[in-house]
Amino acid sequence: EAQVTQNPRYLITVTGKKLTVTCSQNMNHEYMSWYRQDPGLGLRQIYYSMNVEVTDKGDVPEGYKVSRKEKRNFPLILESPSPNQTSLYFCASSGGPTSSNTEAFFGQGTRLTVV
Amino acid sequence: AQKVTQAQTEISVVEKEDVTLDCVYETRDTTYYLFWYKQPPSGELVFLIRRNSFDEQNEISGRYSWNFQKSTSSFNFTITASQVVDSAVYFCALSEAWQGGKLIFGQGTELSVKP
Repeated sequence: EAQVTQNPRYLITVTGKKLTVTCSQNMNHEYMSWYRQDPGLGLRQIYYSMNVEVTDKGDVPEGYKVSRKEKRNFPLILESPSPNQTSLYFCASSGGPTSSNTEAFFGQGTRLTVV
Repeated sequence: AQKVTQAQTEISVVEKEDVTLDCVYETRDTTYYLFWYKQPPSGELVFLIRRNSFDEQNEISGRYSWNFQKSTSSFNFTITASQVVDSAVYFCALSEAWQGGKLIFGQGTELSVKP
């Protein structure tokens, strides 16, 4: 079954404690990205990757890091989380710019609370 | 600049009523894709439809229908004979061809269908 898996689903952490949210896809997609969802703002892209070792900033990258060492995995790293990063996070993958199919497949979401 | 506007923040209807969710987009690209996603209370994002900019045919899928009008830059979504299970947040999104899989989301419309 084609899917994007992100973990954990729920996370409560304290300010400053480094955390990683994992994301894995089994569709051999080139393009992966992270979004955060906040009330009244919809979803906004944090970082994206067009292929292995190729990553770039989205619209709201401050306070986040990513890496793409393997095609299937795209973890989101918060080196020093702050309360304003409390949000619902989604990982997504799609075929990428060379693909005719731009449908994005989303993970189940990670609800992060930073206290 | 790309932008998606969903002017209706919340809509409340009674079961069996028809309801239309509005979506207006801005793009300078001639090749782009438009999407609708549903987010039920459980939080996941459910893909509903993708439309490319060269296909202005309206689409119907069961009780759902979509009206794409390039002349007004709109991609509206109608639910006929709404049901309680339709209660969710609905997002309209835009993807420009040259940006691969990046999605620009509207703010979302929360639909509440009351029995």
